[in-house]
Amino acid sequence: GDSVTQTEGQVALSEEDFLTIHCNYSASGYPTLFWYVQYPGEGPQLLFRASRDKEKGSSRGFEATYDKGTTSFHLRKASVQESDSAVYYCALSDDTNAYKVIFGKGTHLHVLP
Amino acid sequence: GGIITQTPKFLIGQEGQKLTLKCQQNFNHDTMYWYRQDSGKGLRLIYYSITENDLQKGDLSEGYDASREKKSSFSLTVTSAQKNEMAVFLCASSMGQNNQAPLFGEGTRLSVL
Repeated sequence: GDSVTQTEGQVALSEEDFLTIHCNYSASGYPTLFWYVQYPGEGPQLLFRASRDKEKGSSRGFEATYDKGTTSFHLRKASVQESDSAVYYCALSDDTNAYKVIFGKGTHLHVLP
Repeated sequence: GGIITQTPKFLIGQEGQKLTLKCQQNFNHDTMYWYRQDSGKGLRLIYYSITENDLQKGDLSEGYDASREKKSSFSLTVTSAQKNEMAVFLCASSMGQNNQAPLFGEGTRLSVL
């Protein structure tokens, strides 16, 4: 079945550091990819999505580029802030079943002041 | 704007008890979801419903029942609570077409004594 792999379970950075969270996927069809962010006590909220190869999604300084060749959708931010501390989830929905949305295990980002 | 309301916010149960979680949305979305969130395991899909009276099993449906009584509501039943179980159950909804991103409620936090 389809799956999403996030390599890092926890990431600790200092303010103004560069962030990369790795996301690789496996899908039988041509998936749409998502990044979500979750703050304590809240539900996950969508950062952005991308639907086709080479498409870049971006929001709030975060960005990721859909790479069908490497089956990746890595999240990046040039300069993190303490307020970016949260859990980040990569997710996909496959075009063979657009209703079923599968999430990765999440990456907990801690940004130290 | 719309909202997804999950009740109750906190649920304490006894081992072997049947427990029901409720979810209401006023986005007029067709598709609704139930996910289970455990630390280190991410979000795992339990059930989803493409439209009223439809039910689709996710990857974690064993031990759960679901009911889509009407378009705006989706309930989840834990058929027999497991001792020391602790998890957050997240409800979500989406338009369901064109790989739309689900929008999430704030969750129900379950503890089983």
